[in-house]
Amino acid sequence: GQQLNQSPQSMFIQEGEDVSMNCTSSSIFNTWLWYKQDPGEGPVLLIALYKAGELTSNGRLTAQFGITRKDSFLNISASIPSDVGIYFCAGIPSGTYKYIFGTGTRLKVLA
Amino acid sequence: NAGVTQTPKFRVLKTGQSMTLLCAQDMNHEYMYWYRQDPGMGLRLIHYSVGEGTTAKGEVPDGYNVSRLKKQNFLLGLESAAPSQTSVYFCASRPTGTRNEQYFGPGTRLTVT
Repeated sequence: GQQLNQSPQSMFIQEGEDVSMNCTSSSIFNTWLWYKQDPGEGPVLLIALYKAGELTSNGRLTAQFGITRKDSFLNISASIPSDVGIYFCAGIPSGTYKYIFGTGTRLKVLA
Repeated sequence: NAGVTQTPKFRVLKTGQSMTLLCAQDMNHEYMYWYRQDPGMGLRLIHYSVGEGTTAKGEVPDGYNVSRLKKQNFLLGLESAAPSQTSVYFCASRPTGTRNEQYFGPGTRLTVT
């Protein structure tokens, strides 16, 4: 099945650093979602994007819907230890009810 | 408002046994989904439902059946469990309309020996 290309696969950063990750698709999407998953838990929705070029923030997190509608970006500013987890993107191709998921970016924050 | 809940949280089955996973949501969402999550594979759609009484196949439906008799509940059944069905299963729901925000349950960790 189709999956989104998400990068990087993993990141080790120092506390206080900024983080950037992205997802790309070969298809045009009309929605992009960003989730965080902690070990043993279900994914938690962080940000939803609905229009090309849209920039949305949720606290220290900022996400953007790419102009081409084939990509999206997530930035985390001033990382803290509780940011540790797996972040993954999801999108909905036009005309479907089905979500396509990225394979995730595993983030580790060193204090 | 509990959101999306799943029962059980953990289960161990022997090959050939059957079981049903229950998903419930209290957000009055029309759409509900069942996924499995395996290491290195990401989330894969098993079955989904766009409303009470409707179901449809996803990406990996073989070996699973579903039912949506009530709007708030979506059941996933394994008739004859196989070791390949060892996985973490997530249920999710979303409302109709233009808001495509999908909300997940906490997951069921299933081991088939």
